[in-house]
Amino acid sequence: QLQLQESGSGLVKPSQTLSLTCAVSGGSISSGGYSWSWIRQPPGKGLEWIGYIYHSGSTYYNPSLKSRVTISVDRSKNQFSLKLSSVTAADTAVYYCARGDGDYDRYYFDYWGQGTLVTVSS
Amino acid sequence: SSELTQDPAVSVALGQTVRITCQGDSLRSYYASWYQQKPGQAPVLVIYGKNNRPSGIPDRFSGSSSGNTASLTITGAQAEDEADYYCNSRDSSGNLVVFGGGTKLTVL
Repeated sequence: QLQLQESGSGLVKPSQTLSLTCAVSGGSISSGGYSWSWIRQPPGKGLEWIGYIYHSGSTYYNPSLKSRVTISVDRSKNQFSLKLSSVTAADTAVYYCARGDGDYDRYYFDYWGQGTLVTVSS
Repeated sequence: SSELTQDPAVSVALGQTVRITCQGDSLRSYYASWYQQKPGQAPVLVIYGKNNRPSGIPDRFSGSSSGNTASLTITGAQAEDEADYYCNSRDSSGNLVVFGGGTKLTVL
């Protein structure tokens, strides 16, 4: 059974960089055909896709966050990471990592981490 | 870009059938996927593709699609189905991902 676990700082100061890591167990992050995503949810609000990285290393980001986001993968540690720069209070949210799967006509997240709350405050 | 639109809230009487909808241009090209989220928990995939349920999801959950609208139907809603439901798909470019705003389902 695949498992994902987020870790990182739960409190970040405004203008600094948010850094999170998602450790994958029960399967290889290098398995072909999957993408590895970050998704966030501000308190009391809906889900927002941040971006993903494919097994090939290609990355795609939400246009609204693209200038501040970097997603990378460390295959030796079977984990992937998120960096979000120049954070403000609006970036306060529960951050989830998830595995994406799909085909030419579908895309879905079949495995999710439990989520980690990141608060932006001085 | 693409957006997915959901009704903010829907209610259903216990044991009755409810349909939750998701509208967007990208749904003319891509199937929607559906997620159930209960308070304090991560979302759980309940429907993907044309009408596929992951292992462990009750068969009272089903999905359908017509034009730019995807639907999640719960036939015989149970108290434990009370939750927020989100749809998602690829956007019209095929490279990005979009979520609907979510529907809060209340089981009366």
